[in-house]
Amino acid sequence: AQSVAQPEDQVNVAEGNPLTVKCTYSVSGNPYLFWYVQYPNRGLQFLLKYITGDNLVKGSYGFEAEFNKSQTSFHLKKPSALVSDSALYFCAVSTDNTDKLIFGTGTRLQVFP
Amino acid sequence: DGGITQSPKYLFRKEGQNVTLSCEQNLNHDAMYWYRQDPGQGLRLIYYSQIVNDFQKGDIAEGYSVSREKKESFPLTVTSAQKNPTAFYLCASSPGLGISYEQYFGPGTRLTVT
Repeated sequence: AQSVAQPEDQVNVAEGNPLTVKCTYSVSGNPYLFWYVQYPNRGLQFLLKYITGDNLVKGSYGFEAEFNKSQTSFHLKKPSALVSDSALYFCAVSTDNTDKLIFGTGTRLQVFP
Repeated sequence: DGGITQSPKYLFRKEGQNVTLSCEQNLNHDAMYWYRQDPGQGLRLIYYSQIVNDFQKGDIAEGYSVSREKKESFPLTVTSAQKNPTAFYLCASSPGLGISYEQYFGPGTRLTVT
C-alpha cells in the first residue's frame, strides 16, 4: 500500500534562516511526488512536483525539493525563510499503478520575525 | 484559487438533513475530486470523476454522493448516513486523471452539523 509520512507536526524557524520540511514515502513502483501549501481557511496551492529527471526540483516562491530514492524522501527546502511562508504544508505521492494522490498529514511551518 | 469556486464558504445544518456542496470550475479540466480535511489527518479522497456522467468512489465514500452532469460542475451531497459530517471539504480539478498532473483546489466549504 502507498503511504506518505510527514514526521514533524510543526517546524519553527527564524526569518532569514534556511528551512526544511520533511517527507518520506513508501510505494510499490515509481513514485510521483508533490508539495502543496495551505494558508488558513483556504484551499491547497501547488508548489512543485517530481515526476522524473533531475532529483532537485524547483518550484514556486523560491521553494525546492530533492528526490532521494535510496532514502525514499522528498524534503521541501528554502534557503531563506520569510514570515509569509508560515502555513500548512502537505506532501503527496502517487504511482503509475494508481490514479489517486495520497496526502501526508501536513506540517505546520511557523516563521518568526 | 485558480478558477474553482465552492459555495458556500460556511454551511450549518441540523443532524439528519442532507446537504449539497457546490463545486464549479472554469479551467476546462476533465478530472474533478472531492476531499475531506480533518485536523491532523491530512486530506482523504471521497469521490473523483474523470469525465461527464462517470465517477468513482474514493477512500471514504460512505455517506456521500456525487453527480457529474456537466464538465464544469461536480456537486457533493453529504447525506444523513454520514456519521461524522462536520469537516472542511475541498474540491479540486486537474487537466486529466493521470498521476503527473497537479491538482487545482477550490477555497473549501466548512460544514458544521449539530
